[in-house]
Amino acid sequence: GAVVSQHPSRVICKSGTSVKIECRSLDFQATTMFWYRQFPKQSLMLMATSNEGSKATYEQGVEKDKFLINHASLTLSTLTVTSAHPEDSSFYICSARDSSGGLYNEQFFGPGTRLTVL
Amino acid sequence: TQLLEQSPQFLSIQEGENLTVYCNSSSVFSSLQWYRQEPGEGPVLLVTVVTGGEVKKLKRLTFQFGDARKDSSLHITAAQPGDTGLYLCSRGNTDKLIFGTGTRLQVFP
Repeated sequence: GAVVSQHPSRVICKSGTSVKIECRSLDFQATTMFWYRQFPKQSLMLMATSNEGSKATYEQGVEKDKFLINHASLTLSTLTVTSAHPEDSSFYICSARDSSGGLYNEQFFGPGTRLTVL
Repeated sequence: TQLLEQSPQFLSIQEGENLTVYCNSSSVFSSLQWYRQEPGEGPVLLVTVVTGGEVKKLKRLTFQFGDARKDSSLHITAAQPGDTGLYLCSRGNTDKLIFGTGTRLQVFP
């Protein structure tokens, strides 16, 4: 149980285009999902908290117009990187918290999406 | 966003050696998690500790939560190449997780 998937696993795009990344909780419902960014050899940095049916909460320094988040259902959140530039190239990871349990804020992570902007 | 400090940052050891990784903060945690992340994959939860002084074991991995709930350690006995990865601690005081700086472990056969 507690499986989270991400699609696509890898994407290469041209500068100026937009890229959408999907995050799905496969066997549980997630009122809250999280989006992280990870640069090579570094830890995860939280970008935003995605709340089902409401606006996402962005961390300081993260541009909400650049990284659009939509959480339309209890099993799906999407992150759209708009007008991508090479500096947006990174490993993007989502996580989800089971709405029905998890006493200690345990989150389950997706396998990540490697974005390369040329 | 405050990161938790982990040490060492990097560790390269031979198969069969023991090692300890530390996670420290000036703040008290209500709970702390340890994750392992392999290259190109998402982190996988290893354990959650919640009580000061708590010790949990997962095969060759021993996790300890400090008495004051401000620090934690992960000890690996007889490391194997399969233990290679990035080890991350995180605290869950609020709705969101804050991750440590990470310890990258390489175990050579």
